Amino acid sequence: GAVVSQHPSRVICKSGTSVKIECRSLDFQATTMFWYRQFPKQSLMLMATSNEGSKATYEQGVEKDKFLINHASLTLSTLTVTSAHPEDSSFYICSARGGLRVTDTQYFGPGTRLTVL
Amino acid sequence: AQTVTQSQPEMSVQEAETVTLSCTYDTSENNYYLFWYKQPPSRQMILVIRQEAYKQQNATENRFSVNFQKAAKSFSLKISDSQLGDTAMYFCAFMKLGSGDKLTFGTGTRLAVRP
Repeated sequence: GAVVSQHPSRVICKSGTSVKIECRSLDFQATTMFWYRQFPKQSLMLMATSNEGSKATYEQGVEKDKFLINHASLTLSTLTVTSAHPEDSSFYICSARGGLRVTDTQYFGPGTRLTVL
Repeated sequence: AQTVTQSQPEMSVQEAETVTLSCTYDTSENNYYLFWYKQPPSRQMILVIRQEAYKQQNATENRFSVNFQKAAKSFSLKISDSQLGDTAMYFCAFMKLGSGDKLTFGTGTRLAVRP
């Protein structure tokens, strides 16, 4: 099956700093990538949808200036958490869809645990 | 907005037995997809099974099958011959066609398979 990787798997940073998380599709080209956030023992909440070469579409309540998403190539999307604060500590998961149909399977990355001190 | 409800926070089953996880959803849409995803301790989300709403036949994937009741807006997952590797969080998810393929997830059911 298709493989999606995330880097880093775990990051600890100080409050006020910025953190970049990478999401890569390793064996397919991802036309669309998604970023989710998962709090402990809770479900996944979609943050934004990004298509290669265009601006990301953010869900209601997600600050686009705080969570910067770049999808510069068909195999890489990045999420940058700017001026991180302790409340941004969470598990961030990306997924990638390779086909052009909206019903094509989304493949998920292993997630990145962000801890802001 | 669509909502997905999983009323069983935790379930337990003996190895080799069968277990059913419940999921209900609320939508006014007619064209949509439903999914079950598995999140093992490694946290990697894995697609277990999917169902197209326009199909009356229930989807099956080896030991996994669903009971899709469109009128009742119910989408349960049956795991037969449970294995220790089935221990995981299971999320039910909904996707409305034309929504930009957004997935709406339920709150999850933690399944423990006992040896």
